Amino acid sequence: EAGVTQFPSHSVIEKGQTVTLRCDPISGHDNLYWYRRVMGKEIKFLLHFVKESKQDESGMPNNRFLAERTGGTYSTLKVQPAELEDSGVYFCASSRSGRAFKNEQFFGPGTRLTVL
Amino acid sequence: QKEVEQNSGPLSVPEGAIASLNCTYSDRGSQSFFWYRQYSGKSPELIMSIYSNGDKEDGRFTAQLNKASQYVSLLIRDSQPSDSATYLCAVPRMDSSYKLIFGSGTRLLVRP
Repeated sequence: EAGVTQFPSHSVIEKGQTVTLRCDPISGHDNLYWYRRVMGKEIKFLLHFVKESKQDESGMPNNRFLAERTGGTYSTLKVQPAELEDSGVYFCASSRSGRAFKNEQFFGPGTRLTVL
Repeated sequence: QKEVEQNSGPLSVPEGAIASLNCTYSDRGSQSFFWYRQYSGKSPELIMSIYSNGDKEDGRFTAQLNKASQYVSLLIRDSQPSDSATYLCAVPRMDSSYKLIFGSGTRLLVRP
């Protein structure tokens, strides 16, 4: 079974530019999460999809961040325009449906975003 | 008070020793608890999950849960240098998304 994949692995952009991160969850996993770790801080939740629907986007920092999950498969996270404080590692995780609080979340390798 | 707390370490143990990693959480309603291992520059890797009070063993790893004390720990027996990593405690928030709340992680160093 293939794991969670993310693309790109690294992205370096200038302030004001746009970046789109992609996540492909484990096949059959309805739950897809985005998390972020900024330098020196804990990993923090951004948002949660169940299939193609946004279940919870309470962790999204502001309206410069837009996430989509087309057809309940892969997801994209767009940052537009990027600011310096958006730098960090963006992780995607997926889990099965069912008793969600017991569902184990499996993480992708992350995208390291650097905004100059 | 943070929702999930861990000592940042580093915790240094000699090869072959038992490493004990601790985590406390604030939400008494929490039902599940996860331990992730993260090597430098890599993604978190799930190594243990525990849902009931008591111990759960998997190979060299034992997770211990005490809901009354709001405490979960991870023991690593016969520690190896390859166990050197940051260990993250994660607790799902009991809401509609069960988003994981992470501790800051404990850095473990196993000395050869």
